[in-house]
Amino acid sequence: GAVVSQHPSRVICKSGTSVKIECRSLDFQATTMFWYRQFPKQSLMLMATSNEGSKATYEQGVEKDKFLINHASLTLSTLTVTSAHPEDSSFYICSAGLTSGGSGAQYFGPGTRLLVL
Amino acid sequence: QQPVQSPQAVILREGEDAVINCSSSKALYSVHWYRQKHGEAPVFLMILLKGGEQKGHDKISASFNEKKQQSSLYLTASQLSYSGTYFCGTVKTSYDKVIFGPGTSLSVIP
Repeated sequence: GAVVSQHPSRVICKSGTSVKIECRSLDFQATTMFWYRQFPKQSLMLMATSNEGSKATYEQGVEKDKFLINHASLTLSTLTVTSAHPEDSSFYICSAGLTSGGSGAQYFGPGTRLLVL
Repeated sequence: QQPVQSPQAVILREGEDAVINCSSSKALYSVHWYRQKHGEAPVFLMILLKGGEQKGHDKISASFNEKKQQSSLYLTASQLSYSGTYFCGTVKTSYDKVIFGPGTSLSVIP
């Protein structure tokens, strides 16, 4: 149980294009979904928290107009990197939880490796 | 505020034990532990809530001392499959987000 999928697993795009990443909870309804960014050999940096049907809460320093998050249903959240630039290249990971906040476990998707040329 | 993890890295031979520590400067509601293998997403291991919990998971167990704002992860009789980076995540209140530590790289060699 508690399986989260993420698509695509890897994407290479040209600078200036937009990239959409999908995160789905396959066997449970996720109250909250989280989006993280991870640079090589570094920790997970939370970008934003999203709840179904409401606007995402972005962490300080994360541009909400650049990283658009849509949480359309209890099983699907999407992250769109708009007008991507080489500095946006990173490993993006989503996670889903049964509870909001820190009281419950988070189940992570397999991640999306983005390379912007 | 990001928790502190120690050690940064550890190399073990199969069958040896290891302890990974996680500490915070703030009062904590809970501590999470995750393991991430290279190129993969983190996998949930366990959550410990305030109250001085101790939990076990096969040969991996953890304790949480809320007074000291510290948690320790114990790996007993390590196996090759234990290799990876272990992250602790700390939570200040039940509605707060998880803040992940910098990670501890664990390598188990034959």
